Amino acid sequence: RKEVEQDPGPFNVPEGATVAFNCTYSNSASQSFFWYRQDCRKEPKLLMSVYSSGNEDGRFTAQLNRASQYISLLIRDSKLSDSATYLCVVNMESGGGADGLTFGKGTHLIIQP
Amino acid sequence: DTGVSQNPRHKITKRGQNVTFRCDPISEHNRLYWYRQTLGQGPEFLTYFQNEAQLEKSRLLSDRFSAERPKGSFSTLEIQRTEQGDSAMYLCASSLGGREEKLFFGSGTQLSVL
Repeated sequence: RKEVEQDPGPFNVPEGATVAFNCTYSNSASQSFFWYRQDCRKEPKLLMSVYSSGNEDGRFTAQLNRASQYISLLIRDSKLSDSATYLCVVNMESGGGADGLTFGKGTHLIIQP
Repeated sequence: DTGVSQNPRHKITKRGQNVTFRCDPISEHNRLYWYRQTLGQGPEFLTYFQNEAQLEKSRLLSDRFSAERPKGSFSTLEIQRTEQGDSAMYLCASSLGGREEKLFFGSGTQLSVL
């Protein structure tokens, strides 16, 4: 089983719709989780950390399900500018520290006008 | 601009040549990372430094790859005897270190080996 798995998509979503995608991880001892955004031919940028209690940042909501070992990202009222690849990142080291960060392959999202 | 800086942005080389990339991290960041990314894949960890010490190297990093961070500031990644399979985007990232895991990436160096 791969360590961090994502549906590569693409997800084609009309502008204004709500879209959600998940990411599963293999190490039950993982402690920290993140979503990064990567635009075409650009570097990844941190979108948000994912906390155990779930967290929200404007139109974006991230949640963690430890029992089923997945994290999710929900985008409400999607904008054309949300079109990007969303990378799931999990720290596979139970002790933390950024050397254990493992990236998924990313989910490609296309918002259509 | 106080972000992570990488150069060159693009490098085209012939198979068998050596190439060197440079990364200047955010000045107060102790940790510096090198990743490799190919089309359709997420970034793959290569190596990282805590100040000038290289603490971990991925098994992806063959003997042809070497990285340095001599003064704990900028870093270089050298690939010797390049192969076509080395063609990829090489990304550098930095973080504050300790338990701070948020990575700040540079724009990357796109390597094409002909």
